[in-house]
Amino acid sequence: KDQVFQPSTVASSEGAVVEIFCNHSVSNAYNFFWYLHFPGCAPRLLVKGSKPSQQGRYNMTYERFSSSLLILQVREADAAVYYCACASNTGKLIFGQGTTLQVKP
Amino acid sequence: NAGVTQTPKFQVLKTGQSMTLQCAQDMNHNSMYWYRQDPGMGLRLIYYSASEGTTDKGEVPNGYNVSRLNKREFSLRLESAAPSQTSVYFCASSHTGPSTNTGELFFGEGSRLTVL
Repeated sequence: KDQVFQPSTVASSEGAVVEIFCNHSVSNAYNFFWYLHFPGCAPRLLVKGSKPSQQGRYNMTYERFSSSLLILQVREADAAVYYCACASNTGKLIFGQGTTLQVKP
Repeated sequence: NAGVTQTPKFQVLKTGQSMTLQCAQDMNHNSMYWYRQDPGMGLRLIYYSASEGTTDKGEVPNGYNVSRLNKREFSLRLESAAPSQTSVYFCASSHTGPSTNTGELFFGEGSRLTVL
């Protein structure tokens, strides 16, 4: 079955680099997508690709079946839910369960 | 700059009642989607529409129907609501269709539905 796996919760301290790991069992998936979701707001795309990439404080690592989202200098305001997703061979996105990031001051 | 707009934002239903969630996008996107979000389950695709006039089932379509009214609007209908349909529903759109694998979805803010 096509699935995406990520931890349910990650905790960090302010100012640190936090890593959220993701891996998948999605057939023929080559791209990872990382979305950010603040409850009550619309989820939005942070970073995507089939190679390591960076968007501001967000870095994405890439391996064929796994990816990590690295958030540099994490802040309390970064506390949210982060979704990892992969595209199936029909193109539709398959999302992981979401990782709740907790940031301690 | 509205983007994707969903209505209503909150709704409480009794078991067996029907309702329609409305979604509209103003970005001239071809593809639209309905997801549900449940604790520990992530975002699961209910139905999608790759282009105006077409709709297809996603991962969890049972108990739902959809209508792609025009290029802008994509509605989700619950004919006979059940407590298992208590969830947060997200509409999304994308410029390219599912088959092109670009992955950039633009989401609405969600509709929280409670079925008693």
